[in-house]
Amino acid sequence: QKEVEQNSGPLSVPEGAIASLNCTYSDRGSQSFFWYRQYSGKSPELIMFIYSNGDKEDGRFTAQLNKASQYVSLLIRDSQPSDSATYLCAVSGSSNTGKLIFGQGTTLQVKP
Amino acid sequence: NAGVMQNPRHLVRRRGQEARLRCSPMKGHSHVYWYRQLPEEGLKFMVYLQKENIIDESGMPKERFSAEFPKEGPSILRIQQVVRGDSAAYFCASSQGTVGSYGYTFGSGTRLTVV
Repeated sequence: QKEVEQNSGPLSVPEGAIASLNCTYSDRGSQSFFWYRQYSGKSPELIMFIYSNGDKEDGRFTAQLNKASQYVSLLIRDSQPSDSATYLCAVSGSSNTGKLIFGQGTTLQVKP
Repeated sequence: NAGVMQNPRHLVRRRGQEARLRCSPMKGHSHVYWYRQLPEEGLKFMVYLQKENIIDESGMPKERFSAEFPKEGPSILRIQQVVRGDSAAYFCASSQGTVGSYGYTFGSGTRLTVV
């Protein structure tokens, strides 16, 4: 079992729709959870982080965390073609030494 | 207010040569992390350093790879006797405190090509 799992996609949604990206993790002691966006040929860019169960909203983005189910998700409302990218889920280990474990990423395509 | 600076952006090395990748963290950041991204794969942790100390090198290959973060100057990731399998994007990230508090800011990366 991979430590952080994401569906590689591609996930295709029409412009204006809600994109839902999912991630599961195996280490129950994980404390911090991050979503990064990576455009092709570019470096990852932090877009959201969440520590507590529930929802966290920032503009068009909502991160959701369910520690009991070991599940993290990212919702993107009113998807735009510029949101087309690979979204990486990252989880800190239970030791919280600074190391992040990344999923393989989900490729999102937003079609005009 | 410069971000994390990595150089070179692109590096081509022949098999058997040495590769040196440099990373200057954001101003005020004392924690540096190196990650590798192979083609079509996710980011893999390599090493976590603070000034003059290696904190976690659990992701570093046992041979040919080394990293340092001296008191003065950038962090260096050094790959000796490169092989084709070392071809990848190498990203450096920095943080002000532990990642749980602030998250990472990544540099633009160094794309290493071994020919």
